[in-house]
Amino acid sequence: QKEVEQDPGPLSVPEGAIVSLNCTYSNSAFQYFMWYRQYSRKGPELLMYTYSSGNKEDGRFTAQVDKSSKYISLFIRDSQPSDSATYLCAMSVAAGNKLTFGGGTRVLVKP
Amino acid sequence: NAGVTQTPKFQVLKTGQSMTLQCAQDMNHNSMYWYRQDPGMGLRLIYYSASEGTTDKGEVPNGYNVSRLNKREFSLRLESAAPSQTSVYFCASGGAQNYGYTFGSGTRLTVV
Repeated sequence: QKEVEQDPGPLSVPEGAIVSLNCTYSNSAFQYFMWYRQYSRKGPELLMYTYSSGNKEDGRFTAQVDKSSKYISLFIRDSQPSDSATYLCAMSVAAGNKLTFGGGTRVLVKP
Repeated sequence: NAGVTQTPKFQVLKTGQSMTLQCAQDMNHNSMYWYRQDPGMGLRLIYYSASEGTTDKGEVPNGYNVSRLNKREFSLRLESAAPSQTSVYFCASGGAQNYGYTFGSGTRLTVV
């Protein structure tokens, strides 16, 4: 079993819908949680990060962490075709430490 | 622009040939990483360097070697390329106060 599990998708939604992405993990020592966005033929780019449990909002994006359930989520409101990409979750034990990545979920937002 | 620069962007090798993938960062980060990304396999760590002068194996190190030339540069070498090494290779760097990595744009390698 992988340390971080993520549904590979693809997840197809109509424009304007809410996109819901999630990852589960097994290592209770993880403290820092990140979401990366990767467009086709590009490198991953950091989208959001959170420390420990709780929510964080940035524009149309909301990241949630539930450490008791070992479950993290990313929500994208009012989704746009430009949000079509692969979204990878990542986590680490401490800031600056090696990251463990999920396999990524491919998202397609249809106009 | 500050960031991670990878060269080359594309490469085709014949089986048995060798090559070095170059990576440089200008963000004064201590840690640098080499990943490969294959369909359905996600990002897999090949080697990493937590600081200048140190390197460690990752998840899939066989067939690769690395050199942390200085704080800025971290190269990945394939001594005898095999078709199984056809992949997209990403270099990344991270700082002690960073909560994530900055990735390069990748090198698409095909071994025939």
